[in-house]
Amino acid sequence: SQQGEEDPQALSIQEGENATMNCSYKTSINNLQWYRQNSGRGLVHLILIRSNEREKHSGRLRVTLDTSKKSSSLLITASRAADTASYFCANEGGGFKTIFGAGTRLFVKA
Amino acid sequence: EPEVTQTPSHQVTQMGQEVILRCVPISNHLYFYWYRQILGQKVEFLVSFYNNEISEKSEIFDDQFSVERPDGSNFTLKIRSTKLEDSAMYFCASSPPGQRTDTQYFGPGTRLTVL
Repeated sequence: SQQGEEDPQALSIQEGENATMNCSYKTSINNLQWYRQNSGRGLVHLILIRSNEREKHSGRLRVTLDTSKKSSSLLITASRAADTASYFCANEGGGFKTIFGAGTRLFVKA
Repeated sequence: EPEVTQTPSHQVTQMGQEVILRCVPISNHLYFYWYRQILGQKVEFLVSFYNNEISEKSEIFDDQFSVERPDGSNFTLKIRSTKLEDSAMYFCASSPPGQRTDTQYFGPGTRLTVL
């Protein structure tokens, strides 16, 4: 499998519900980042978690990192229709190369 | 808030033609990157640039591609002899000095269509 694979590939929820997206990676990392992309638009940085951190919060976002399992999760609480987008994890494992996952497409129904 | 800008937003070209995609990174940033995203696929790393030279490149970044920082503000990606499969969104990114592993700030992208 590719580095930085997210699951699920697609997620449809009702407004107000929580959305959880998972990401797995293969190599060691210095940090892992989550980005959002609205359809046809650029990438918006959401949150960065370093390899020595286990959990990080930013507003309605909560990111966890388990380096032993080489996985991370992004939780969006109390989702809104405006959260509808694709979400990507990206791992920076050394060198200057950042590897993106295939993304989770989140659809929040109003 | 400063942001990365890219021009043009959409470029249409004929197969075999050369294109130059332009980016203006955030002014005090020192690390620069190009990525591409073929429609419906993942974002793929192309190249990183630091201290006026390529620091890393992917297998995608072959002799057809080149990057340049011609002045203190612009960062360009040149694609020689474009192919149909070069059609994609191309994103430029930059990150601040001192922390190569810190957040990369992305531009809005240039949509390249090769006919």
